Amino acid sequence: ETGVTQSPTHLIKTRGQQVTLRCSSQSGHNTVSWYQQALGQGPQFIFQYYREEENGRGNFPPRFSGLQFPNYSSELNVNALELDDSALYLCASSLAGGKYEQYFGPGTRLTVT
Amino acid sequence: AQSVTQLDSHVSVSEGTPVLLRCNYSSSYSPSLFWYVQHPNKGLQLLLKYTSAATLVKGINGFEAEFKKSETSFHLTKPSAHMSDAAEYFCVVSDRGYGQNFVFGPGTRLSVLP
Repeated sequence: ETGVTQSPTHLIKTRGQQVTLRCSSQSGHNTVSWYQQALGQGPQFIFQYYREEENGRGNFPPRFSGLQFPNYSSELNVNALELDDSALYLCASSLAGGKYEQYFGPGTRLTVT
Repeated sequence: AQSVTQLDSHVSVSEGTPVLLRCNYSSSYSPSLFWYVQHPNKGLQLLLKYTSAATLVKGINGFEAEFKKSETSFHLTKPSAHMSDAAEYFCVVSDRGYGQNFVFGPGTRLSVLP
């Protein structure tokens, strides 16, 4: 069984640029959630995708967008990067529904300078 | 709206002594509750979960937690701490619905002294 993978592991971007982060779900999972974890804080929910549709969104502006593909892999796109976007971005896969545990990838560390 | 309070930002114990990490939650629905652990520069690993079966839940690495609805608590315990337990621990509440269903607490950093 393959776990959740994310790429890249680290990324450095300049303010105003755009970035795409990628996630491959664990086999058998149809739901992907993305989280932002700032240093010293708990993960904050960005959004969730189920069957290629956005299925819930946290308190993040529209410049944070995503995609889910037919094989349940996913992308997180962030436009017009700001310094405060520097964080660890975590992807989690699961079955649909809040009673199911989410399995997390190792994360992508984004630094915006 | 759901929320999670982790009452201690940092807990320090000696190796071989008990561990208690406290978590209180707020939820409009009958929740599911989870504990995750995050070691430095690693992803989040599920320790245990409560989803309306037995109120005392056993997890990996000797951890367990008890769901107390009357106290809205889900404290994490371990009888004897090991050096490898040093990490950040997150309590999570979920309303079992769809969409934004995982709300994390701010975390408790556990230090284990030799």
